[in-house]
Amino acid sequence: SQQGEEDPQALSIQEGENATMNCSYKTSINNLQWYRQNSGRGLVHLILIRSNEREKHSGRLRVTLDTSKKSSSLLITASRAADTASYFCATDAGNYGQNFVFGPGTRLSVLP
Amino acid sequence: DTEVTQTPKHLVMGMTNKKSLKCEQHMGHRAMYWYKQKAKKPPELMFVYSYEKLSINESVPSRFSPECPNSSLLNLHLHALQPEDSALYLCASSSPGQIYEQYFGPGTRLTVT
Repeated sequence: SQQGEEDPQALSIQEGENATMNCSYKTSINNLQWYRQNSGRGLVHLILIRSNEREKHSGRLRVTLDTSKKSSSLLITASRAADTASYFCATDAGNYGQNFVFGPGTRLSVLP
Repeated sequence: DTEVTQTPKHLVMGMTNKKSLKCEQHMGHRAMYWYKQKAKKPPELMFVYSYEKLSINESVPSRFSPECPNSSLLNLHLHALQPEDSALYLCASSSPGQIYEQYFGPGTRLTVT
């Protein structure tokens, strides 16, 4: 079953621009994570935000979490062609973190 | 070593074949996962092992049989698969605490003919 819903489904931007992706979910969560997947490959963990946190930064990444609205956003600043990938949010609803549900993902294309 | 390895990278099998997918990690993680991912879809959780014991089985058909021989290895045995089982099969591992991140392998691209 899918909990997270990403918006937009696809995003195309020019190199140097910022990219914002949104994720909504339905139930209470323990934490929310963002992953990147290059075409047909494994997923790479980007950032984790706990349910009691509102914002987190990691390099060019900024994640926000609004538990009242059950939503999160991922901002990638100064995008590069190498950022082209699919981005998934994943919610952890408990059970000692062994129940992960991924959202449908956003396909980001960064044009040189 | 922060790598999860999976073999084979590609697998083509007939509906009557028996094959196995393998996953290995040497990060000391005690939780390991199998996911199935169809094209342009998110990964879907199939199985979770915690301390070598199956803790979550997301109602996966019995033609998929997981096995965790030890804390570093995870297998997925395949038998009598259907063409709709063709997908990318991803293995992941993590520390089995409350807050963690998952480390994914590159996946096995399975085609059932």
